[in-house]
Amino acid sequence: DIQMTQSPSSLSTSVGDRVTITCRASQSVSRFLNWYRQKPGKAPQLLIYAASTLQSGAPSRFSGSGSGTEFTLTISSLQPEDFATYYCQQSSSAPYSFGQGTTLEIK
Amino acid sequence: EVQLVESGGGLVQPGGSLRLSCAASGFTFSAYWMTWVRQAPGKGLEWVANIKEDGSEKYYVDSVKGRFTVSKDNDKNSLDLQMNSLRVEDTAVYYCARDRSVPGFPSDSWGQGTLVTVSS
Repeated sequence: DIQMTQSPSSLSTSVGDRVTITCRASQSVSRFLNWYRQKPGKAPQLLIYAASTLQSGAPSRFSGSGSGTEFTLTISSLQPEDFATYYCQQSSSAPYSFGQGTTLEIK
Repeated sequence: EVQLVESGGGLVQPGGSLRLSCAASGFTFSAYWMTWVRQAPGKGLEWVANIKEDGSEKYYVDSVKGRFTVSKDNDKNSLDLQMNSLRVEDTAVYYCARDRSVPGFPSDSWGQGTLVTVSS
C-alpha cells in the first residue's frame, strides 16, 4: 500500500499569509493526487484534483503542483475560512490513502 | 443539487454488526464510483472502500477486508456498507462520497457523515 506523508503537521499562520503544504508518497502516484480542506465538524471539501486542477467552485487562491512522489498545495493569501485541516490523497492504486493532515492555526 | 445522506450509525458492542446506508440524489447514481471514508474521533481521514459504477469491482483497506462489504443499488440510488465483527478501532464518523471519473478520481461530493461507536 502507498503511504502518504504531509508536512508540516500543523502551522501557525495569519490572515494574508502565503502557505505551502507538502505531501510525499512512498512510491510514484504519477499525478493522481488530490487535496481536500476540512473545517471542524464538517465533511471534507475537494480543492484540487490530478495534482493541479482546481475543482469547480474552489477559490483561485488555492493551487497545486508536483508529480511522482512530491506534491505541494499553496494558498496564496490566507482567508479566515482557510483555518482548517488539509489532506492529500493518492488515487493511483487502492487503497486510496490520505496523508495524516496539516492543520492551519491562527497565530 | 447533489445530495448524499448517510444513516444507520449508532452504538454497537465489539463483535457486533451494523449496516450503513447512503441515499443519493441530484445526479445519475449509476454513472459514478462511490467511496466510504471514515474519521476516528480527533483523527485524520481513512479511506475504507469503494465500488465501481455497476458494482462489479470493489476495493477495501486491509483493516476491514473480510469484515466489511460495500454494495450499490442503482435502482434505489443507495450505497451500503455492511460492517461485521466490529472492533473498538472501527469507531468513527463514516462518510459516503461520490467519485468523479476524471484523472485523480477525486471525491467531489460528500455526505454529512454518520457516527459509529463500538463499545461495551
